[in-house]
Amino acid sequence: GAVVSQHPSWVICKSGTSVKIECRSLDFQATTMFWYRQFPKQSLMLMATSNEGSKATYEQGVEKDKFLINHASLTLSTLTVTSAHPEDSSFYICSARNVGPHEQYFGPGTRLTVT
Amino acid sequence: KQEVTQIPAALSVPEGENLVLNCSFTDSAIYNLQWFRQDPGKGLTSLLLIQSSQREQTSGRLNASLDKSSGRSTLYIAASQPGDSATYLCAVGTSGSRLTFGEGTQLTVNP
Repeated sequence: GAVVSQHPSWVICKSGTSVKIECRSLDFQATTMFWYRQFPKQSLMLMATSNEGSKATYEQGVEKDKFLINHASLTLSTLTVTSAHPEDSSFYICSARNVGPHEQYFGPGTRLTVT
Repeated sequence: KQEVTQIPAALSVPEGENLVLNCSFTDSAIYNLQWFRQDPGKGLTSLLLIQSSQREQTSGRLNASLDKSSGRSTLYIAASQPGDSATYLCAVGTSGSRLTFGEGTQLTVNP
């Protein structure tokens, strides 16, 4: 149980376009989902926390207009990278928190390359 | 602000050796501590979760300990195997289910 999926697993896009990444909890309801980014050989940095039905809370330094997060249901959160630039190329990982223990379950990640 | 440090940054050992990975954190007001494994280009695999009230957790060849008062955790891997080669991440859980990650220890187990 407690499986989280992400789609797509990798994406290449041109500079200036927008890319949407989906995060789904497959076998549980996730009231809270988290989005992280990870640069090569670095650790995960929390970008934002999203609660179902409300606006996401962004970490300091993360542009909310650039990284649009929607958590419309208890099993789906989306991250849209708007007007992507090469510096947005990174590994994006989502996680979902189940009701109960404060444990997060992580998705497999999405590799974004902006050319 | 919570800061998590992992030592060493990289470790190379021969197969069969027992080893210890270290994690320290600056703020002892935590809910839990998790150890993860990450293979290159992949997501995270949760290894062990220790709640703040617990001292240790064990799973197979892995044992994780937590000393909240001193801000330290260790991950002990017994009888290491080449398949254990990966990056091991320590993450501290605080209020709001926030996780703060360390930089990781890159482990290589040589056959």
